[in-house]
Amino acid sequence: GAGVSQSPRYKVAKRGQDVALRCDPISGHVSLFWYQQALGQGPEFLTYFQNEAQLDKSGLPSDRFFAERPEGSVSTLKIQRTQQEDSAVYLCASSPIMNTEAFFGQGTRLTVV
Amino acid sequence: QQQVKQSPQSLIVQKGGISIINCAYENTAFDYFPWYQQFPGKGPALLIAIRPDVSEKKEGRFTISFNKSAKQFSLHIMDSQPGDSATYFCAASVNTGGFKTIFGAGTRLFVKA
Repeated sequence: GAGVSQSPRYKVAKRGQDVALRCDPISGHVSLFWYQQALGQGPEFLTYFQNEAQLDKSGLPSDRFFAERPEGSVSTLKIQRTQQEDSAVYLCASSPIMNTEAFFGQGTRLTVV
Repeated sequence: QQQVKQSPQSLIVQKGGISIINCAYENTAFDYFPWYQQFPGKGPALLIAIRPDVSEKKEGRFTISFNKSAKQFSLHIMDSQPGDSATYFCAASVNTGGFKTIFGAGTRLFVKA
């Protein structure tokens, strides 16, 4: 596709439910990033992949958050036992290689009720 | 300190006027300072970026002014247009790209026709 694609666009989860958010990066992009954007705030870094390797996960807020990119292309961010404070827009970005411009997807808006 | 402080929180400008958004940072290791534009329901898009070895960068109606000694930088939008109405984020990182980019809290700009 022409850009980074994320699905679903919107997700409503009951507290305690597990969710999985998908990111399709731009074809051929090696680097992939996940960010969390709370309402009215700037995005905050969660994790970084280079191909299938998760090289940094220092921004993941708790062990309930897990990300994978098994074949070095599509990535999934999984949140277990969702809490209300997890409500945010989750943004995925990709770049051709490290240290080049990253392109963001439209995000998935997660609402935990 | 990793924080990037951005002001104002919101800004209303008349069409044709100049919009000015300011940011300050603490970490002297940052060497890449991008500005992102975000429309509702969309991901952030890179607008313009600067490195600390120059004091000003201009691209069309958008100019970044950078003051390394003061650890401050600003975005000037000349001849502001209603289509510029969006949320603007300053950001900083150690390298180009999306790795651990630190975003400001954002400025909501509204340009009155």
